[in-house]
Amino acid sequence: ETGVTQTPRHLVMGMTNKKSLKCEQHLGHNAMYWYKQSAKKPLELMFVYNFKEQTENNSVPSRFSPECPNSSHLFLHLHTLQPEDSALYLCASSQERAGGPNTQYFGPGTRLTVL
Amino acid sequence: AQKVTQAQTEISVVEKEDVTLDCVYETRDTTYYLFWYKQPPSGELVFLIRRNSFDEQNEISGRYSWNFQKSTSSFNFTITASQVVDSAVYFCALSEAGYGGATNKLIFGTGTLLAVQP
Repeated sequence: ETGVTQTPRHLVMGMTNKKSLKCEQHLGHNAMYWYKQSAKKPLELMFVYNFKEQTENNSVPSRFSPECPNSSHLFLHLHTLQPEDSALYLCASSQERAGGPNTQYFGPGTRLTVL
Repeated sequence: AQKVTQAQTEISVVEKEDVTLDCVYETRDTTYYLFWYKQPPSGELVFLIRRNSFDEQNEISGRYSWNFQKSTSSFNFTITASQVVDSAVYFCALSEAGYGGATNKLIFGTGTLLAVQP
């Protein structure tokens, strides 16, 4: 595997279900990100992890719970979601160092539908 | 506040035409970075280019070229001799420089859907 991978690619869940999205990066990067892409809205940054520590939570509802066990893996745990949470969830990674932001590389995304 | 505006929601061209995608940004920082990404129907955002605010040289990569003008806060993207495979949503993004190793945050525009007809 190369680059950033995400599983599953498609997910349909009911509002009472609990599910998890998985992201894995094979680039040796130290930062990982979750973005939400809804129809006709800009990509929204949700969470940022730098060296496994969460450095950004962009006012995301608690029904979304991220987990970063190591620099290569990132999870997004979902529970009691709402239909408006249906979106494409994109994971990205980058190699961060002092002096400026570096390019984020994205995975293919998980298309989530909440019924 | 940071903001990226892509005023063109959709553009349709015929194959072999040239097309320019506009991007206008707002930032108070003197050091910042601009990006273009391509999102084909498969969904993955593909990185195209990264520029920092100190480098105003235009760049060409094959059929792609970028025009960065600080005076107008624009970073436009031109595809020469467009092809059907260029059909995608194109996003412009802005990031201010991190300090002390702070992780960057990308601010995206709303994207431009480019449809290249055969």
